Amino acid sequence: DIQMTQSPSSVSASVGDTVTITCRASQGISNWLAWYQQKPGKAPKVLIYSASSLQSGVPTRFSGSGSVTDFTLTISSLQPEDFATYYCQQGNTFPRTSFGGGTKVEIK
Amino acid sequence: EVQLVESGGGLIQPGGSLILSCAASGFTVSSNFMNWVRQAPGKGLECVSLIYSDGTTYYADSVKGRFTISRDNSKNTVYLQMNSLRAEDTAVYYCARVAGDYTDGWYFDLWGRGTLVTVSS
Repeated sequence: DIQMTQSPSSVSASVGDTVTITCRASQGISNWLAWYQQKPGKAPKVLIYSASSLQSGVPTRFSGSGSVTDFTLTISSLQPEDFATYYCQQGNTFPRTSFGGGTKVEIK
Repeated sequence: EVQLVESGGGLIQPGGSLILSCAASGFTVSSNFMNWVRQAPGKGLECVSLIYSDGTTYYADSVKGRFTISRDNSKNTVYLQMNSLRAEDTAVYYCARVAGDYTDGWYFDLWGRGTLVTVSS
């Protein structure tokens, strides 16, 4: 199975900061990576698919990059509503897909 | 409105059975791949079962032989029959619609709010 490793597991940031989250796959997954945002008590919401494609309706301050094994989610100009937990998900071995362990973005 | 609504969760004893439902509106489940994803308390996300548009099914090793996914096209609803439940099956169970293709990869573009299953004596 492909293991997805996210770092950091948590990050403290202030409104207006730029936050970068990384996700590493244990083997190559081309660009078949998605990013999700989850707020407490809510379902995950897809932000990015195909490593860098912005899901419709998602603010442009969210961006994704990377390929093969190393991927990045960048949140520019962090807003109060962005404090949440973020997960990466590989779709290369679908349906045996897998998620990263999550990165919690907290208020500094 | 395009949405998924799960129901059927609750407290169940180890070894017991439960049926979860996922009612869809605004789109047709039989034309999509539909997934059940679970999240144990304070933990990450795990895909447990999928039903393809052609009715083919998939199960994670952790639930194979115990869970059964199905759908009722007339009710536009997906089900998850869970048997021989264990404490480690305790989680919020989300229904999710699969999006993507062989170019973009596969991901989940629509999620329900989830239903909590607690397996405990």
